[in-house]
Amino acid sequence: GAVVSQHPSWVICKSGTSVKIECRSLDFQATTMFWYRQFPKQSLMLMATSNEGSKATYEQGVEKDKFLINHASLTLSTLTVTSAHPEDSSFYICSAKEQGWETQYFGPGTRLLVL
Amino acid sequence: DAKTTQPTSMDCAEGRAANLPCNHSTISGNEYVYWYRQIHSQGPQYIIHGLKNNETNEMASLIITEDRKSSTLILPHATLRDTAVYYCIVSTTGNQFYFGTGTSLTVIP
Repeated sequence: GAVVSQHPSWVICKSGTSVKIECRSLDFQATTMFWYRQFPKQSLMLMATSNEGSKATYEQGVEKDKFLINHASLTLSTLTVTSAHPEDSSFYICSAKEQGWETQYFGPGTRLLVL
Repeated sequence: DAKTTQPTSMDCAEGRAANLPCNHSTISGNEYVYWYRQIHSQGPQYIIHGLKNNETNEMASLIITEDRKSSTLILPHATLRDTAVYYCIVSTTGNQFYFGTGTSLTVIP
């Protein structure tokens, strides 16, 4: 149980295009989802928290207009990187939890390369 | 910001117990201690968590000091597949995780 998937697992795009990453909870209702970013040889950095049906809460320094988060259902959250640039190349990871749970479960990650 | 400090790296012989320490001296009364690990290029994997009492599951044991200012994750019989970066995180349930730098554990044959 508690499986989280992400799609795609990796994506390459041209600078200036937008990329959408999906995060799905496969066997539970994810009332809260979190998005992280991880650069090479660094730790995970929390980008935003989203509750189903509400606007996401972004961490300081994360541009909400650049990283659009939608959490419209209890099993799906999407992160859209708008007008991607090479510095946005990173490993994007989501996690999810159900209301009442004490812990969160992570997806396998999506590797984004912007050329 | 992360509220934990961990050694940067550790080695452990295969088959021996791996003891990974974590300091969280500013932990609040309602914050849990969580342990995750990340194998290269994968998402973090949940290991164990606890509030006050020691905990054990099929993967590991978690020992929390009485003052809750530090904890130790114990992998009883380390295997090569346990080589990973181990993260100790303190947080309230449902709250955000702020990752520190973690401990890179290398299990040596």
